Amino acid sequence: GNSVTQMEGPVTLSEEAFLTINCTYTATGYPSLFWYVQYPGEGLQLLLKATKADDKGSNKGFEATYRKETTSFHLEKGSVQVSDSAVYFCALRGMDSSYKLIFGSGTRLLVRP
Amino acid sequence: DTGVSQNPRHKITKRGQNVTFRCDPISEHNRLYWYRQTLGQGPEFLTYFQNEAQLEKSRLLSDRFSAERPKGSFSTLEIQRTEQGDSAMYLCASSLGTGNFNSPLHFGNGTRLTVT
Repeated sequence: GNSVTQMEGPVTLSEEAFLTINCTYTATGYPSLFWYVQYPGEGLQLLLKATKADDKGSNKGFEATYRKETTSFHLEKGSVQVSDSAVYFCALRGMDSSYKLIFGSGTRLLVRP
Repeated sequence: DTGVSQNPRHKITKRGQNVTFRCDPISEHNRLYWYRQTLGQGPEFLTYFQNEAQLEKSRLLSDRFSAERPKGSFSTLEIQRTEQGDSAMYLCASSLGTGNFNSPLHFGNGTRLTVT
């Protein structure tokens, strides 16, 4: 079945450091891929998405490229801020006509000043 | 866009009691989803509706769980004879429908259930 695997956290960085959070998936065909973010005390929010191979999703300085050959959708940001501290979830929507999203287990990011 | 609204925010109940949660989706969204999230884990899919029709149920959804969306607007999730293992955050989400396969899910802030 479809699944998502994320790197375990927590990831602790200093402000202005480069961020990578790894995400790989298992699915048939070409799923749609998403990153969601959950700030402390808030609900999940869509951060970015990509719907076909080689697409790059971007938002708020974050980027992720849909790599079919490596079944990956790694999240990157060139310079993190303290306000980026949150839990990040990678998710996919399969091609099986189901509209549900399947989520990874989440990666907690802590950015220190 | 008033967002997805869930009530109550917190619910504490004794084992064996029944509980019901409510979700009000974004008004123009015809798909509605229920997820469960436990500490340190990602959301796990429970069920989803398109309008009033319940189209998919996870194997996680035991027969003690029932969800309804009677008029295709708000939804309720009922858990009967609660067990301590039901303690979790229950999340509701909604999305646009037909012709919008890639539309993202918009989540509410969840209902946190504690079974004592």
